[in-house]
Amino acid sequence: KAGVTQTPRYLIKTRGQQVTLSCSPISGHRSVSWYQQTPGQGLQFLFEYFSETQRNKGNFPGRFSGRQFSNSRSEMNVSTLELGDSALYLCASKHEGGMNTEAFFGQGTRLTVV
Amino acid sequence: GQQVMQIPQYQHVQEGEDFTTYCNSSTTLSNIQWYKQRPGGHPVFLIQLVKSGEVKKQKRLTFQFGEAKKNSSLHITATQTTDVGTYFCAGRRTTDSWGKLQFGAGTQVVVTP
Repeated sequence: KAGVTQTPRYLIKTRGQQVTLSCSPISGHRSVSWYQQTPGQGLQFLFEYFSETQRNKGNFPGRFSGRQFSNSRSEMNVSTLELGDSALYLCASKHEGGMNTEAFFGQGTRLTVV
Repeated sequence: GQQVMQIPQYQHVQEGEDFTTYCNSSTTLSNIQWYKQRPGGHPVFLIQLVKSGEVKKQKRLTFQFGEAKKNSSLHITATQTTDVGTYFCAGRRTTDSWGKLQFGAGTQVVVTP
């Protein structure tokens, strides 16, 4: 069974541009969560999608948005990029949106904003 | 801000020694999970604790969930170089809906041979 796949792995963008990151969850997993990881800040929760609906949202500005498709693949979009958006963006999928299930992480997309 | 606090942020350990990393939440958690992220890698699930006072062991790793379900600890005995990485705890507050895991900032472990 293939793991969680994130594309692209690396990305360099200029301030003011927008970016779209993609995440394909493990087959059969309907829950996809997105996290931003920066040194010293750990994993900051962005949002979670379940069956094409955003179920939870973290404390990020509206420039950060996402969506989920009927095949559970998810995308996140960041508009008007700022230097501080440089980070590793991780997505994680779970088998169900249940309370006691582990999260399987992808390799992440390393975004650098210059 | 961080809802789940982890201490210490960094841990330098001599190979063969023991160490403990702690996770504390200001609110009651329905469960706590632990993940390990190797340098350059992604977080990998280690274990989940659900019951108050629960203790689970994985070889040299011992995980504990506090009686009040607000704190947890990971104790590693006889540290090996393979233990290098960042250990994250992640909890779901009882007041949060499904899916939203609150991660701590992690404990970065460096092992000296």
